[in-house]
Amino acid sequence: DQQVKQNSPSLSVQEGRISILNCDYTNSMFDYFLWYKKYPAEGPTFLISISSIKDKNEDGRFTVFLNKSAKHLSLHIVPSQPGDSAVYFCAASEAKAAGNKLTFGGGTRVLVKP
Amino acid sequence: KAGVTQTPRYLIKTRGQQVTLSCSPISGHRSVSWYQQTPGQGLQFLFEYFSETQRNKGNFPGRFSGRQFSNSRSEMNVSTLELGDSALYLCASSPVVARGTQYFGPGTRLLVL
Repeated sequence: DQQVKQNSPSLSVQEGRISILNCDYTNSMFDYFLWYKKYPAEGPTFLISISSIKDKNEDGRFTVFLNKSAKHLSLHIVPSQPGDSAVYFCAASEAKAAGNKLTFGGGTRVLVKP
Repeated sequence: KAGVTQTPRYLIKTRGQQVTLSCSPISGHRSVSWYQQTPGQGLQFLFEYFSETQRNKGNFPGRFSGRQFSNSRSEMNVSTLELGDSALYLCASSPVVARGTQYFGPGTRLLVL
């Protein structure tokens, strides 16, 4: 069973516009969420995270929104740049889990067109 | 600071063989986690080590094992390789005991023939 889902496998956006990536989760024990970006032949790179005590976290062009009641989070990238073209993964960890186990979504491939 | 390094970067093995992959975490990081990435299953957690002890384990068969050394370097071993073990194996390190940001290495691409 997929506890973290990214229902859009791909997204195409024009340079300068907003990219919105969505992620849904089913495990109510998840309380810490992260977004990673991955280029081909490289490992995932951490982008931004959010704790369940917050509903928004912002870092430069990246903002993550968390809606706990809907078990939904989203990543906004504004403005989108060609270098943002990559696969984006949503990940979550459980409150009760000791340590750093992350459960990942399937990823969304973003293409930013110049 | 140097990032997470993984060796080898590419590996070709045949069914039934065993393989050992190595990971050196970022200096000062004591937590090391391993993940498997495949097109069908995505990124899946294998196990995590902290201070030479396995703290978490994912849903993988016993053929997958790991260990961590006193300098925090980690190895994972897969015995009796199967075709389905072909994947990108990623190592990640974290500076904190629990639920910190993880920093990934470039991965080891394993092909089982």
